Amino acid sequence: AQSVSQHNHHVILSEAASLELGCNYSYGGTVNLFWYVQYPGQHLQLLLKYFSGDPLVKGIKGFEAEFIKSKFSFNLRKPSVQWSDTAEYFCAVTKRDDKIIFGKGTRLHILP
Amino acid sequence: DTGVSQDPRHKITKRGQNVTFRCDPISEHNRLYWYRQTLGQGPEFLTYFQNEAQLEKSRLLSDRFSAERPKGSFSTLEIQRTEQGDSAMYLCASSLGGGDGNTIYFGEGSWLTVV
Repeated sequence: AQSVSQHNHHVILSEAASLELGCNYSYGGTVNLFWYVQYPGQHLQLLLKYFSGDPLVKGIKGFEAEFIKSKFSFNLRKPSVQWSDTAEYFCAVTKRDDKIIFGKGTRLHILP
Repeated sequence: DTGVSQDPRHKITKRGQNVTFRCDPISEHNRLYWYRQTLGQGPEFLTYFQNEAQLEKSRLLSDRFSAERPKGSFSTLEIQRTEQGDSAMYLCASSLGGGDGNTIYFGEGSWLTVV
């Protein structure tokens, strides 16, 4: 079955630390990839997406992600996190013209 | 404000009662999705529509669940004979369609508590 795996369920970092959240998927073929963020008490928001082209994509708030097709991975990175990045992060995958499947999420807690 | 609106935002119901949630997608979006999210989990796909046609229904959706999108605009999700295990956030989302238009935008969700 199609699936998305997020390796880190809960990450705690200090401000200014670098961040990398792992995401692997099990689809074959062409995929679209997303990272969504859910801040406390808010709805899911799109952070960034990859459809085609440059595998390094940049999103809002200084986040970026790299698509590595050979590894079926789409890891999220940020060089220096801020307290306001405290949130839950979800990786999601879809084949074109199909539904989107989400990972279980990574809860990120930034210490001030 | 994403433009996807859901109603009600919160619902508390007794076990065995029926509940209905409504979703109004972004106006030009052809696709409408329903997901369910419980604490500590990612959104789980339930079903989705292309205009008024229901394209897929997850095996998670028992016969007690039914979704409609009669005119290709708003959608309803009904849960009959609710059980405590139905307690969750029910998320609606919409998108322009497949291909590069397939970014989906979420509403704020409808919290269901079955007591």
